[in-house]
Amino acid sequence: AQKVTQAQTEISVVEKEDVTLDCVYETRDTTYYLFWYKQPPSGELVFLIRRNSFDEQNEISGRYSWNFQKSTSSFNFTITASQVVDSAVYFCAQGLGTYKYIFGTGTRLKVLA
Amino acid sequence: KAGVTQTPRYLIKTRGQQVTLSCSPISGHRSVSWYQQTPGQGLQFLFEYFSETQRNKGNFPGRFSGRQFSNSRSEMNVSTLELGDSALYLCASSFGRGPDTQYFGPGTRLTVL
Repeated sequence: AQKVTQAQTEISVVEKEDVTLDCVYETRDTTYYLFWYKQPPSGELVFLIRRNSFDEQNEISGRYSWNFQKSTSSFNFTITASQVVDSAVYFCAQGLGTYKYIFGTGTRLKVLA
Repeated sequence: KAGVTQTPRYLIKTRGQQVTLSCSPISGHRSVSWYQQTPGQGLQFLFEYFSETQRNKGNFPGRFSGRQFSNSRSEMNVSTLELGDSALYLCASSFGRGPDTQYFGPGTRLTVL
C-alpha cells in the first residue's frame, strides 16, 4: 500500500531548540519523489524540498535539513534553532509515477517564544 | 512569475446549493490538482487534470466534478452542498511530467450553512 505516516500530531518547542519532524513512507514503486511542505496559518502550502528515490544525500538549507534513509523508509526534517516563524503545519508527501501524490496527516509545530 | 491563484478566497453557501471554484496555474504548468482539507480528514485528493483530461481521481462522490480549459485554468464544482463539504479547497499546479513538484494556491475556504 502507498502511505505516508507522520506519527507526530503536534510538537511544541521553545525558541532556539532543535526539532525533528518524522516521516515514514510505504511504496512498492522503485521510482518516487518525496516532498515537504509548510502550511502557515494563512493556509497556503509552501514547497520546501523534493528528493527522488535515487538520491539519498542529505540536504541542508539554512536552518533546515533533511535526512532521507531508504533502509528505514524515512524522510525526516530537522529545524535547527527554531524560531516563532517556524510555527506551522508541516506535511510530508510522496509523488508516484502514476502522477498521484500521497500526503501525510501533517505535524503541527508550535514554537514558543 | 505569478503563483497559483484561486478565486474566490472565501465562500458561504447553504445546503443544497452548488458552487464553482476557480484555479489559475503557474504559467507553463499543464497539470492542476484539487485537494480538500478538513481538520478531521487532513488533505484529501479530489482529482487531477492534465491537458484538459482528468488523469486521476480520488474517492469522492459524483457531486464533486471538475474541468480544465485549454489555457490550463481549472474549475471545480460541487453540487447539492452538504454541511460536511465545509473545508479549505486547495489547488496545486505542476508541469505534469511525472511526480514533479506541485505548487499550491492560497485556497478557497468554503463554509456550508
